[in-house]
Amino acid sequence: SAVISQKPSRDICQRGTSLTIQCQVDSQVTMMFWYRQQPGQSLTLIATANQGSEATYESGFVIDKFPISRPNLTFSTLTVSNMSPEDSSIYLCSVGWGATEAFFGQGTRLTVV
Amino acid sequence: AQTVTQSQPEMSVQEAETVTLSCTYDTSESDYYLFWYKQPPSRQMILVIRQEAYKQQNATENRFSVNFQKAAKSFSLKISDSQLGDAAMYFCAYRSALGTQTGANNLFFGTGTRLTVIP
Repeated sequence: SAVISQKPSRDICQRGTSLTIQCQVDSQVTMMFWYRQQPGQSLTLIATANQGSEATYESGFVIDKFPISRPNLTFSTLTVSNMSPEDSSIYLCSVGWGATEAFFGQGTRLTVV
Repeated sequence: AQTVTQSQPEMSVQEAETVTLSCTYDTSESDYYLFWYKQPPSRQMILVIRQEAYKQQNATENRFSVNFQKAAKSFSLKISDSQLGDAAMYFCAYRSALGTQTGANNLFFGTGTRLTVIP
């Protein structure tokens, strides 16, 4: 199994600022995934982060808004840039584990005021 | 693209009773995995049960079982002897079996069902 430490667990930010969310895994993993969960909604994949290459973004998400770093096989960051109230969501990182497992961080609850 | 549909935004069940949560999905693939995740107010996503599409036998984990109907693309979750701790959002999810070969081993989630357990 994998244990994921995600931080911060929550934050309240001013619009126009940026927040970087960190995700640390206790094992080496090839791919890490970043999801957004808007209030009362399901999880939507933002991007897939591979170590040593640029992240792959899903439709509707762009690198300028959500830059991702993946400096090694155990760590990744997601930055939410130039925030607006519409960015208020829960952000979760996840790793796949074999074919049938996925582990999630505790989530970051972001409120933009 | 794969889609996952949960048609029940909210469900409630009396403690100790049984409840079934519905999930349907759409895919052109023949090999895949299906999951039910539980998300309590703590936000932590917890795996409840999983099913490999190539297995005909329905998965069971203690009080949790699934009814997997591959032809109908249906994957319902049955919770028996419901407990207060079962109250949470439940998400049905799909993953391709193509896995790391294509990078497509992220999960596709349904919109969730909020389960309330009545004492």
